[in-house]
Order: sequence, then structure tokens, then C-alpha cells
Amino acid sequence: QVRLVQSGAEVKKPGSSVKVSCKASGGIFNNYVINWLRQPPGQGLEWMGGIIPIFGTTNYTQKFQGRVTISTDESTSTAYMELSSLSSDDTATYYCARGVRGIEFTSWFDPWGQGTLVTVSS
Amino acid sequence: DIVMTQSPDSLAVSLGERATITCKSSQNVLYSPNRRNSLAWYQQKPGQPPTVLIFWASSRESGVPDRFSGSGSGTEFTLTISSLQAEDVAVYYCQQYYSAPFTFGQGTKLEI
Repeated sequence: QVRLVQSGAEVKKPGSSVKVSCKASGGIFNNYVINWLRQPPGQGLEWMGGIIPIFGTTNYTQKFQGRVTISTDESTSTAYMELSSLSSDDTATYYCARGVRGIEFTSWFDPWGQGTLVTVSS
Repeated sequence: DIVMTQSPDSLAVSLGERATITCKSSQNVLYSPNRRNSLAWYQQKPGQPPTVLIFWASSRESGVPDRFSGSGSGTEFTLTISSLQAEDVAVYYCQQYYSAPFTFGQGTKLEI
């Protein structure tokens, strides 16, 4: 049973960058899409993008294109999401989640990491 | 982008009663290769990540109680909880995975 464990909460200044990690254990890592989503406080869920670890193929939503970078380190079964040029609008809980349908991006998500709260404040 | 719209935004149901949540997509999400609808339902409790309840619009995830069921096709979908239990208090989201960007409904807050 795969488990995703994310890095801890971050407080960042406007204009800076944040890099969140997501370490997988207990299952296959390379052959499943790892997705990143976010949820602003009290609001809904937004998919940011994903990566196929075995190929390094990424798929980003247009909204974050050029500002987000998703990567993986296969040696440690860890995925990363880096978001740059932060503003207060980026304050949210960021989740990693595995796609169920292998290397297909078109999938529902299970399991999810526990979430990482990123607060952007001056 | 496919827009997902849930109704209602909030719902109060008595214990043991039926709860019904509707989700409408702005375009058809029927996946032709298997003739199934690319629609999932999630439950999110406070301070926790979402957990999947239903996928392919009507397939129940392993371990999910059978009081949860999904139905619908094309652009209109329904999540039904047949007999509400106290532990079902949560926010429920639908999600389309037919095409990127994968989008969610705004959520329905279910209360007793």
C-alpha cells in the first residue's frame, strides 16, 4: 500500500519560491503519475500538474505554466513541486496525489499526501 | 477547461436519511474506449486530504461503505448516501478526469 509523505509547512515572502517534497513508500513509484494540487484556506481543490516519473514527462495547467516545476528523484522515490514568484494568492495547502491509472494522466487520485501548508506573507 | 458545478453548496440531512448531491459538467466526460464516465467523487473531512469514494461515476472504492453510490452519465452525475451516519459529515467533491486540466466541483458541505 503506497503512502505519500510531504515536507513540512513553509512561510515565504512575496516574490520568493517554495519547493515542497513528496516521498513515496510501500509501493511502486516510477510507473504512476504523481500529481500536485492545492487548496486555499476554506476553498476548493485545484489541479496544478503532474509528472510520469519513469519518463520525466510533465503536464501543467495553463494557469501555472512558467511558474511551477514538478520533478522527481527516482533514487529516493520523491517528487517535488517548486512554485516561484509567490504572492498572497498562493497561500494554500499543497497536496501530492498519485494517479491510479499508471502512466495515464487521465485518472482519479489515490492516495494523497497529508498536505503542506504554504503561507505567503510579508 | 471543463467546468464542474455541484449542487447544493450545503446540505443538512437527518441521521438515517438519504443525502443526494448533484454534479454537472460543462461537457461530456464519456471515455470512449471503455464507455465509462471519467468522474470521481471524494470525501474531505476537516484537516484531512480528500479520499476517493467513487470512480468511473459508479464504481465504489474498496473499503467504502455501500451506503455510498454514484450514478449518472454524460454531463449529469449524482452521489447518494442512502442512510446518513454521523461520520459522513464532510465536504464532498466531484472531479472530472476526462481531460486536463482535471477540474473539481466547488464542493458540497454535508451536515446533520
